[in-house]
Amino acid sequence: EEQLVESGGGVIQPGGSLRLSCAASGFTFNGFWMHWVRQVPGKGLLWVARISGDGNTTDYADFVKGRFTISRDNAKSALFLQMNSLRADDTAVYYCTRDRSIFGDVWGKGTTVTVSS
Amino acid sequence: EIVLTQSPATLSVSSGERVTLSCRASQRVSSNLAWFQQKRGQAPRLLIYGVSNRAAGIPARFSGSGSGTEFTLTISSLQSEDFAVYYCQQYNKRPPFTFGQGTKLEIK
Repeated sequence: EEQLVESGGGVIQPGGSLRLSCAASGFTFNGFWMHWVRQVPGKGLLWVARISGDGNTTDYADFVKGRFTISRDNAKSALFLQMNSLRADDTAVYYCTRDRSIFGDVWGKGTTVTVSS
Repeated sequence: EIVLTQSPATLSVSSGERVTLSCRASQRVSSNLAWFQQKRGQAPRLLIYGVSNRAAGIPARFSGSGSGTEFTLTISSLQSEDFAVYYCQQYNKRPPFTFGQGTKLEIK
C-alpha cells in the first residue's frame, strides 16, 4: 500500500524552529516530486513547497520563502520541511503529498503545528 | 498567481440530487485542473485530475468538465458519504499551485 506518514509537529514559540518529516512507503520514492500543503483548521488548503525526485529543484510559496526549506533523503524514503522563524500564522495542519504529474494522488494524514507563546 | 474562485460557498442538498460545483480561474489553466474531496478531520482525497479524469477508485457518479477558465464538478446522484468540502486546484507547470476556497456540501 502506498502510504505517507507525517511527524514532527508540535507547539513552538514564535521565532522558533521545527522540522517536519514525511515517511513514504509502498512506492519508489525517488521517482516522484513531493509537496507540502498546509491548512489552518476550518480554512482552505494552501500549497507550501515542492521538491523534485532527485532533490535538485525546489519551489516555495512566497509566504515561506527564506524561512522554510524542503529537502528529501531518497535512501530513507523521507521528505522534510525545515521551518524557521515561525510565526503565529504558520499554525496549521501540514500535509505531505505525492505528485506523479498528477498533483496529490497520495496524501498523509497530516501533522499539526501550533505557533504560540 | 492564478486565483481560483469556487461557487457556491455552501450548498444544501438532499441525497439523490444532482449537484454541480463551479470553479473559475483568473487565467487559463490548460488541462491542469483537479478536484479534491475533504471530510472533517481527514486529508484531502483526489477525485478528478486533468479536468475530467477520475482518480483510482472514484465512483462514476463524479465527473469533471470545463476548459480555459471555467470548470465544473458534477455528482450525478448524491450519496450520504459525499457530504464534504470540495476544492478545485490548478497545477500548471509553474508554482504556486493554488486551491479554490472550497464548496461545502451539507445535508438539506
